[in-house]
Amino acid sequence: DQQVKQNSPSLSVQEGRISILNCDYTNSMFDYFLWYKKYPAEGPTFLISISSIKDKNEDGRFTVFLNKSAKHLSLHIVPSQPGDSAVYFCAASAWSTNAGKSTFGDGTTLTVKP
Amino acid sequence: NAGVTQTPKFQVLKTGQSMTLQCAQDMNHNSMYWYRQDPGMGLRLIYYSASEGTTDKGEVPNGYNVSRLNKREFSLRLESAAPSQTSVYFCASSSSGRDEQYFGPGTRLTVT
Repeated sequence: DQQVKQNSPSLSVQEGRISILNCDYTNSMFDYFLWYKKYPAEGPTFLISISSIKDKNEDGRFTVFLNKSAKHLSLHIVPSQPGDSAVYFCAASAWSTNAGKSTFGDGTTLTVKP
Repeated sequence: NAGVTQTPKFQVLKTGQSMTLQCAQDMNHNSMYWYRQDPGMGLRLIYYSASEGTTDKGEVPNGYNVSRLNKREFSLRLESAAPSQTSVYFCASSSSGRDEQYFGPGTRLTVT
C-alpha cells in the first residue's frame, strides 16, 4: 500500500514555461509535506515544504500547493530552466504517529528543454 | 562543513559477504536515517535513529543492522549480503524527525 504516489514518472517542458509536478497521498494523518530534488549520482536535496495548516508556500520560482480535501499537493516551477532537470520526490510525514519520519513517493523525472 | 559523508562510494560484494557502510554528519543533527533506492523507485527507509543511543526499524529493515556510534556517526551493516540488496544506499540527517533531511552522496552496492 503506497501512501505517497507520484503518478507521472516523467514530465517534459520547454524552458521558460511552467512545470507542474503532482503528488497524491492516502494517509489522512500526514501533516507535513516536503519536495526534494535529485541529480544523477548525487543525494537528494531539500527544495520546499508545507505544513497542513497552509495551502500554499512560495520560495522564489518554486511554489507548493496543498489541497487537503483531495489529499493532493503540487509543485509549480515558474519559469522552468534547464538546470531544473532532475528527479523530484514528494515526501510526507505524520508527527503524531511516526515521529515525523518521511514517506517518499517514487519520483518524477523533469526534463526542461532549451 | 562537509555535511553528510558516506563511505565507500562504490562496493561489489559476493553473496554471503558482510560489510559496513559508514555515515557521518557535522551539522550537530539529532536524527539520522538510512535509505535504499532501487531503480524507478523512491527512497525506502531501512533504519532510523532519533537521537544518540536509539534506533528504530523503518520500512525494509530485514537483512540489515545499524549502530548509532555517537551523535555524528550512524553505520549500516549487511551481515550476509544477498543479490536483493543490490541498490543505492543513502544516509541522511535532520535536526529533528520533522525537519528537512540532508543527504549524503550515496553508496552504490552490487551483490553478485
